[in-house]
Formats: sequence, structure tokens, C-alpha cells
Amino acid sequence: DQQVKQNSPSLSVQEGRISILNCDYTNSMFDYFLWYKKYPAEGPTFLISISSIKDKNEDGRFTVFLNKSAKHLSLHIVPSQPGDSAVYFCAPQAGGTSYGKLTFGQGTILTVHP
Amino acid sequence: DVKVTQSSRYLVKRTGEKVFLECVQDMDHENMFWYRQDPGLGLRLIYFSYDVKMKEKGDIPEGYSVSREKKERFSLILESASTNQTSMYLCASSLYYEQYFGPGTRLTVT
Repeated sequence: DQQVKQNSPSLSVQEGRISILNCDYTNSMFDYFLWYKKYPAEGPTFLISISSIKDKNEDGRFTVFLNKSAKHLSLHIVPSQPGDSAVYFCAPQAGGTSYGKLTFGQGTILTVHP
Repeated sequence: DVKVTQSSRYLVKRTGEKVFLECVQDMDHENMFWYRQDPGLGLRLIYFSYDVKMKEKGDIPEGYSVSREKKERFSLILESASTNQTSMYLCASSLYYEQYFGPGTRLTVT
């Protein structure tokens, strides 16, 4: 039973355009949502997060939107750059005594073409 | 800067061998995690620990065990390696929400 789904395995965009990566979840106990970026042969690195009390969070070129009623979040990258080419994972977290446990989606491979 | 180090970047072992993967963090984090990453499956949690000598099963603990004798060190043990344990293994640590990852160990079991 996959609690977190990233339905697009890959996404290809042109440099300078917008990249939109989507993530759907089923567990209503998730209350904090993180996005991680992973380059080949490296560990994932934290990118941006959003709390369930918000519907939008921005950090430079990266914006995350949360639609709690639809159990959907998206990551927008504007403008996209070739260095953004990586695998992106959404990783929600449930509150309470979860000890910081994250549930990762399958990942979306983003390729930004010059 | 938080640093999470893993003992090996690449490891090749034979079926049936006992395998130890070591992870060390330098930020005094309470929580530590072991994941495996496989294509199309994302990161799946094997075990985690929220304190010294404490451990909890993750989503796929079968075939693995862990040890946390010191706060900064979390070890993953494959008691008898099998070919279906060929994977990328990632260790992480955290204080609250954000987890910090090591560079990963690419384990091949032949």
C-alpha cells in the first residue's frame, strides 16, 4: 500500500521554463512535507518543506504548494536550470511519536535541457 | 555543517556472507535511519533508532538487523547476504523533521 505516489517517473523541460513535480498521498496523519533532491552517487539533500498549516512556501526559484483536501502537493522550479537535473523525492512526515520518520515517494527524474 | 559518513562507497560480497555497513554522524542527532534505494521504488526504510540501544523496524526489515551502541554510530547488518539485497544503502540522521543523508553504499551481492 503506497502512501506516497509520484506518478511521473520522469520529466523533461527546457532551460528557463517551469518544472512542476507532483506528489499525492493517502495518509491524513501527514502534517509536514519535505522535498529532497538527489544526484547520482550522492545522498539526497533537503530542498524545501511545508507545514500542513500552510498552502504555499517559497525559497528562491523553488515553491511548494499543498492542497490538503486533495492530498496533493507540487514543487515548482522557475526558471529551471541544467543543474536542477536530478531525482526529486517528496517525503511527508506524520506528527506525534514518529521520531522524524519520513515516507518517500518513488521519485521523479527531472532533466533540464540547455 | 552536518556530516554523515558511511564506511564504504562500494562493496562487493558473496551470497551467505555477513555484511556490516557503518554510519557515523557528527551532530549529536537523536534519530538515525537506514534506507535502501532501488529504481522505481524510491527510498524504503529498513530500520530506525531514536536513542542509543533503541531500534524500530521500518517497512522492510526482513533479512536485516541493526546496532546502536553509541549515539553517533548506527550499524546495519546483513546476517546472510542474498542477491536480492543488492542495492544502494543510505544512512540518515535527524533532530526534528529534516534528515541529513550520507553519500550511500552501493552493495553488490554475487
